[in-house]
Amino acid sequence: GESVGLHLPTLSVQEGDNSIINCAYSNSASDYFIWYKQESGKGPQFIIDIRSNMDKRQGQRVTVLLNKTVKHLSLQIAATQPGDSAVYFCAERGTDKLIFGTGTRLQVFP
Amino acid sequence: DGGITQSPKYLFRKEGQNVTLSCEQNLNHDAMYWYRQDPGQGLRLIYYSQIVNDFQKGDIAEGYSVSREKKESFPLTVTSAQKNPTAFYLCASSITSGSYEQFFGPGTRLTVL
Repeated sequence: GESVGLHLPTLSVQEGDNSIINCAYSNSASDYFIWYKQESGKGPQFIIDIRSNMDKRQGQRVTVLLNKTVKHLSLQIAATQPGDSAVYFCAERGTDKLIFGTGTRLQVFP
Repeated sequence: DGGITQSPKYLFRKEGQNVTLSCEQNLNHDAMYWYRQDPGQGLRLIYYSQIVNDFQKGDIAEGYSVSREKKESFPLTVTSAQKNPTAFYLCASSITSGSYEQFFGPGTRLTVL
């Protein structure tokens, strides 16, 4: 079946450094991908999305890159801050629902 | 203030009891979803509803039931048949089932003693 996976369960970065969170997906026909941020004890919040006709999309301090050749998605966070500490999920759009990955925990240390 | 709400935030129940989790949205969204999240894991889809008076099973529907009598409400009942009900439950909604972004509620943490 369809699945979305993540390479690293935990990522530790120093404050001020850039963070890169990776995600692999299996359905080459997926046309839309989304990144969510989930802080402890809260619901996921939308960060950024990208359609399959794009390779890159930038937001405020975040960039999503899509490599359809290898079915890989990444989220880059510039100048990582303590408030960025959370679990990050990628998701791909299925037929009538989103398919979520396991998540990567980002830990930011001073 | 538009949004999606879940209540209560924390819920405790004795084993063998049914419990109903509330989810309400005032975003005028057609589609609503229930997910379960266990520690260190991702989101698993329990049930979803594309429109009022209609719903479909997700990946882990056994031991759960839902209803969608009103557009803004999608309550989830965790029955005694659910073997391991202690988890964090998240409700979400989207404009339509085929649309892109889902908006999430704050979640309900259910603990069965």
